[in-house]
Amino acid sequence: QSALTQPPSASGSPGQSVTISCTGTSSDVGGYNYVSWYQQHPGKAPKVMIYEVSKRPSGVPDRFSGSKSGNTASLTVSGLQAEDEADYYCSSYAGSNNFVFGTGTKVTVL
Amino acid sequence: QVQLQESGPGLVKPSETLSLTCTVSGGSISSSTYYWGWIRQPPGKGLEWIGSISYSGITYYNPSLKSRVTISVDTSKNQFSLKLSSVTAADTAVYYCARHDMTTEDLDYWGQGTLVTVSS
Repeated sequence: QSALTQPPSASGSPGQSVTISCTGTSSDVGGYNYVSWYQQHPGKAPKVMIYEVSKRPSGVPDRFSGSKSGNTASLTVSGLQAEDEADYYCSSYAGSNNFVFGTGTKVTVL
Repeated sequence: QVQLQESGPGLVKPSETLSLTCTVSGGSISSSTYYWGWIRQPPGKGLEWIGSISYSGITYYNPSLKSRVTISVDTSKNQFSLKLSSVTAADTAVYYCARHDMTTEDLDYWGQGTLVTVSS
């Protein structure tokens, strides 16, 4: 299985929005509503921000939202804040009890 | 609050077997809702799922690593373990353990990670 494709970087000014894409295939992203998004600050473990495409775990700000169209999922961070600067990874169930991560996107708050 | 903690050698010689254990606290490992997974991240690179195991010992492995990976569980100690054989420098990474929610297919609790370096 191949890693899901994400842009290497994205950026925005405080208060603006940034959207990150996650492109897979019909065997993973397009085939299941099991896309998650993780935020990882330097030297820290990843933290789940979105699961099942668009659901937020308790405690995650509603500035974070997720969606999916076809084989591409997206994470949008609205009202960017300094603490949102981090690496973001998508993941998807890939069938046959397989699980795959995206290549990762570094978000910079300008 | 569920907590996970990885433990094991930080240095492994090439061709040898990497062995790590994850201890789960604040909750029982014996739940049918959750699997328990291993993920790794080479320095400066992205995340890679290694595999997951149920409390009853059912395992799922990344096909690219399957021939070298063994994940096991010890419910009496609330622990699960990873063995990766025939390691090379390419296996140098931070290894994370995590709780894998099989109903939502996300990893909702993570350990802090442990760096394993493969070097002679």
